[in-house]
Amino acid sequence: DVKVTQSSRYLVKRTGEKVFLECVQDMDHENMFWYRQDPGLGLRLIYFSYDVKMKEKGDIPEGYSVSREKKERFSLILESASTNQTSMYLCASSLTRGSNQPQHFGDGTRLSIL
Amino acid sequence: AQSVSQHNHHVILSEAASLELGCNYSYGGTVNLFWYVQYPGQHLQLLLKYFSGDPLVKGIKGFEAEFIKSKFSFNLRKPSVQWSDTAEYFCAAGYQGGKLIFGQGTELSVKP
Repeated sequence: DVKVTQSSRYLVKRTGEKVFLECVQDMDHENMFWYRQDPGLGLRLIYFSYDVKMKEKGDIPEGYSVSREKKERFSLILESASTNQTSMYLCASSLTRGSNQPQHFGDGTRLSIL
Repeated sequence: AQSVSQHNHHVILSEAASLELGCNYSYGGTVNLFWYVQYPGQHLQLLLKYFSGDPLVKGIKGFEAEFIKSKFSFNLRKPSVQWSDTAEYFCAAGYQGGKLIFGQGTELSVKP
C-alpha cells in the first residue's frame, strides 16, 4: 500500500517566517503534488513535479515555492508566511503522468500563521 | 478552463436513506473521473474511478457512480447510507499530464 507521509500534522508559525512542509512517498512514484484545502473551495493545486528537480506551477503558486531533490521527497516552502496562508496542506503522489492515475494522499498538515 | 462542480455543499440524511451526490465536469478531451472520500481526521481515500467501458462503476463500501457523457456528469450513489459514511466527498477529473481538478466537496452528515 502506498504511504505518503507529511512531516507534521499541526504547525503554528508567525507572519514573515519561512516555513517548510515536507512530504515523503515510499512507492517510487514519479509525480508529486501539493494542494491546499479550504472549506467550500475544495482542493487547489499549488505546485507539482513530474521528476527530480522539475516543478510546475499549479493554480495558486503565488507565495509558495517547492523543492524536489530526491524522487521520494517533495517540499513546499512558504517564503514569507502570511495569515492568508493559514490552511490545510495536502501532499499527494501518483505513479505516472497518465490522466487515469489516481493520486495517493498524506494525512495533511494544518498550518496556522499568527 | 477545466472545472468540476459539485452541486451540494452539505447533505444531511438519516441512516438507511439513499444517497446521490451530483458532479459535473467541463469538457476537456479525454477525461478520467474519480470520487474520493475524507473521513474526519483521515486522509483522502479513493472510492472509485471511471476510465472507459461500463458507465456504471462500483467502488468500495457499497458506493457506485454513473458516468453520463451527454450530461458531463458523474454522480455518486449509495442505496442505503450508514452513520459511518459521514465524511466529505470530492469529485475529481483527471486530465492530460496527470493533474486532477477537484470539485468544491460535499459534506455528508448521516444521523443515526
